[in-house]
Amino acid sequence: GQSLEQPSEVTAVEGAIVQINCTYQTSGFYGLSWYQQHDGGAPTFLSYNGLDGLEETGRFSSFLSRSDSYGYLLLQELQMKDSASYFCAVRGGDNTDKLIFGTGTRLQVFP
Amino acid sequence: NAGVTQTPKFRVLKTGQSMTLLCAQDMNHEYMYWYRQDPGMGLRLIHYSVGEGTTAKGEVPDGYNVSRLKKQNFLLGLESAAPSQTSVYFCASTIPPTQGENTGELFFGEGSRLTVL
Repeated sequence: GQSLEQPSEVTAVEGAIVQINCTYQTSGFYGLSWYQQHDGGAPTFLSYNGLDGLEETGRFSSFLSRSDSYGYLLLQELQMKDSASYFCAVRGGDNTDKLIFGTGTRLQVFP
Repeated sequence: NAGVTQTPKFRVLKTGQSMTLLCAQDMNHEYMYWYRQDPGMGLRLIHYSVGEGTTAKGEVPDGYNVSRLKKQNFLLGLESAAPSQTSVYFCASTIPPTQGENTGELFFGEGSRLTVL
């Protein structure tokens, strides 16, 4: 089956840069997405990598390397409002139409 | 501009009762998904559908059934609720992965919080 592993928790201070890694075991997937979820809310889409390499969207960037089965989300100029859980997700892995989420990383930003 | 709407938003059931969660989307999306999320955990895929009249099992399908009679609606049923099904349920929709400018974005509903006593 498919699996996506993330660190359970990351801490950082305002203004810093943090990287959240995602390692996966799957094949034949379309791309890797990243979602943010605040406590009590629904996940919201941040970024998508259909191809290997870096995608930049404002303060957030995401990277994918299929040869290394690895991706990451980079958050720059951290703000208090970035404190949330972050999930990676693969679409179409193992030649299915499933969309599977990672274990999630809780980011705490301190003043 | 509703997007994805889930009803009900909150429900308390007794063990053995049945219920149906409704997900409706107005974006003409082909693909729809049901997830459950337990406290402090990630989202686990229950069932999904790639079009009207089609459904498929996800990671944790046991104890749940689904139907997609209309393209805009995806129903999740619990035939005999158990305390282990206490969770927050999220519905999501998206376009097919091969359809033009797919960005891999899932559009989520606000969630349905279910408690089984």
